[in-house]
Amino acid sequence: SQQGEEDPQALSIQEGENATMNCSYKTSINNLQWYRQNSGRGLVHLILIRSNEREKHSGRLRVTLDTSKKSSSLLITASRAADTASYFCATDGGSEKLVFGKGTKLTVNP
Amino acid sequence: DTAVSQTPKYLVTQMGNDKSIKCEQNLGHDTMYWYKQDSKKFLKIMFSYNNKELIINETVPNRFSPKSPDKAHLNLHINSLELGDSAVYFCASSWGGASSTDTQYFGPGTRLTVL
Repeated sequence: SQQGEEDPQALSIQEGENATMNCSYKTSINNLQWYRQNSGRGLVHLILIRSNEREKHSGRLRVTLDTSKKSSSLLITASRAADTASYFCATDGGSEKLVFGKGTKLTVNP
Repeated sequence: DTAVSQTPKYLVTQMGNDKSIKCEQNLGHDTMYWYKQDSKKFLKIMFSYNNKELIINETVPNRFSPKSPDKAHLNLHINSLELGDSAVYFCASSWGGASSTDTQYFGPGTRLTVL
């Protein structure tokens, strides 16, 4: 399976702290994407990192990619209560479809 | 001005019934998808269409039949509903071909409950 696996499954932090989520995958990829899903809502794209990139930033988000270890991390700095959501990584595995992991459920306590 | 919309948002029905979920996108995208998210939040692709043509058809029971009347619409019809069909179904769309390099835009989901 090309499925990405997020780690941890659940993460609870205090507002203002940083949150780090990891994603591991099994096959070579062209790119890796991170999505956020608020409770009861659809997924929202956060960031895409290509296989030839090592790090990417978007606002308070920082994504790293290590293709040698087949892993990626998503760092959310200075977290806010509104960041409470599930976060999914999605990989292509060189195919024409995205394969999503099971997600990390992040809770940011005010 | 919703980008990807789905109807209905909730669907409660009896086993054995036939139901449809509709999806529309106003982003001008060429590719549309149906995903199923189970109770453990695992999201799995079911189908994708590019300009009304079926591109991806995962191992989905043939009770599920997608229909794309035009590139802005992708509907999902489910025959003979079973308990295991209970899930949240998401429609999504993206630019260009069914390329995984494209960002996907998701609808709000349809929560299907089969009793």
